[in-house]
Amino acid sequence: EDKVVQSPLSLVVHEGDTVTLNCSYEVTNFRSLLWYKQEKKAPTFLFMLTSSGIEKKSGRLSSILDKKELFSILNITATQTGDSAVYLCAATGNQFYFGTGTSLTVIP
Amino acid sequence: ETGVTQSPTHLIKTRGQQVTLRCSSQSGHNTVSWYQQALGQGPQFIFQYYREEENGRGNFPPRFSGLQFPNYSSELNVNALELDDSALYLCASSLETRLNPDTQYFGPGTRLTVL
Repeated sequence: EDKVVQSPLSLVVHEGDTVTLNCSYEVTNFRSLLWYKQEKKAPTFLFMLTSSGIEKKSGRLSSILDKKELFSILNITATQTGDSAVYLCAATGNQFYFGTGTSLTVIP
Repeated sequence: ETGVTQSPTHLIKTRGQQVTLRCSSQSGHNTVSWYQQALGQGPQFIFQYYREEENGRGNFPPRFSGLQFPNYSSELNVNALELDDSALYLCASSLETRLNPDTQYFGPGTRLTVL
């Protein structure tokens, strides 16, 4: 059965901390791994990863994919209160498969 | 703002009723996907439409149906509503290209409550 598993389910950190969010997947005909940030309603696109070992970076956020071990991580450095959100990971194959998300709370 | 719009924002229905949700794609996008997101869960894929044809379907019963129009806007219809259909319904549009086939942009969603 195709699935995406995220960990941890929730995380509470202080401003300035660095966090690592994990995503493992088992998806038939795997094509890409995507990360989204969901604050209230619409998930907003962060990264799409298709190649192993190549880090994608956007400001304080970065992500990498390991296609051999079937996982991805999302790193956020120097966290800010505005980073508080649910972070969703999705793997695409025959369709999109989302994990349940990691709820991140950043305390001032 | 992604340019993807959905209507209505909120909706309350009773069991057994039927509902139609609407989605306007981002300009230039030819593909629309619909998702159901229950509270505390990730989005679950319902189906996708590409150029007015269904292009993939998740594990949802036939009472979930859809349409895509020539302008690439889309509708999700749910018949015989059940309490478990209460969820946030998201649509996402994308442009199917070989370079970036999976970059989807989500609309703000429709919150459906079934009483």
